[in-house]
Amino acid sequence: SAVISQKPSRDICQRGTSLTIQCQVDSQVTMMFWYRQQPGQSLTLIATANQGSEATYESGFVIDKFPISRPNLTFSTLTVSNMSPEDSSIYLCSGRWGQGDTGELFFGEGSRLTVL
Amino acid sequence: GQNIDQPTEMTATEGAIVQINCTYQTSGFNGLFWYQQHAGEAPTFLSYNVLDGLEEKGRFSSFLSRSKGYSYLLLKELQMKDSASYLCAVMDSNYQLIWGAGTKLIIKP
Repeated sequence: SAVISQKPSRDICQRGTSLTIQCQVDSQVTMMFWYRQQPGQSLTLIATANQGSEATYESGFVIDKFPISRPNLTFSTLTVSNMSPEDSSIYLCSGRWGQGDTGELFFGEGSRLTVL
Repeated sequence: GQNIDQPTEMTATEGAIVQINCTYQTSGFNGLFWYQQHAGEAPTFLSYNVLDGLEEKGRFSSFLSRSKGYSYLLLKELQMKDSASYLCAVMDSNYQLIWGAGTKLIIKP
């Protein structure tokens, strides 16, 4: 199975600061996604990271708050900007391989952010 | 709107069998996934159903009825390590994954 590495695995941040999460995959993926999972909640898709172009954001998420980069097929970053306690969550990077849209998703280990 | 329903929590005994149900209402259907997520860890893929019927994979089986908008995950010979959350996700007509809130399965000795 594929390996997706995320860092940091966890961090405690101050209100108003920004943090960038890095995601590295061990082979070229067709698609990369960023999810958020708040305690006891389902996975919520933040955006699809597009290689070499702006990410595609889901309703309720905007680029100014969650800028995303994907400079190549194996690496992406998500920045959580101007953090507030409501941003405390697990942020998960995921990737899909293959040509079709229905392939399984592989997930990184997640980055657990606590905002004070 | 799009909706995935699954029980919040279930309890079962080691060695027994448990069935976790998932019902869905989505705009289109391109398959249903089950993922396992241990506390503090990332979800891992368990199964994918796109046609009606039962898919068996070792101790785990997954069933789908598209006409009923219904799936279940069946876990046999439960082990303590099966204690985890089980997430149901449906891929809609736009190939977007719609996630359920997950079912927390507690296994007791």
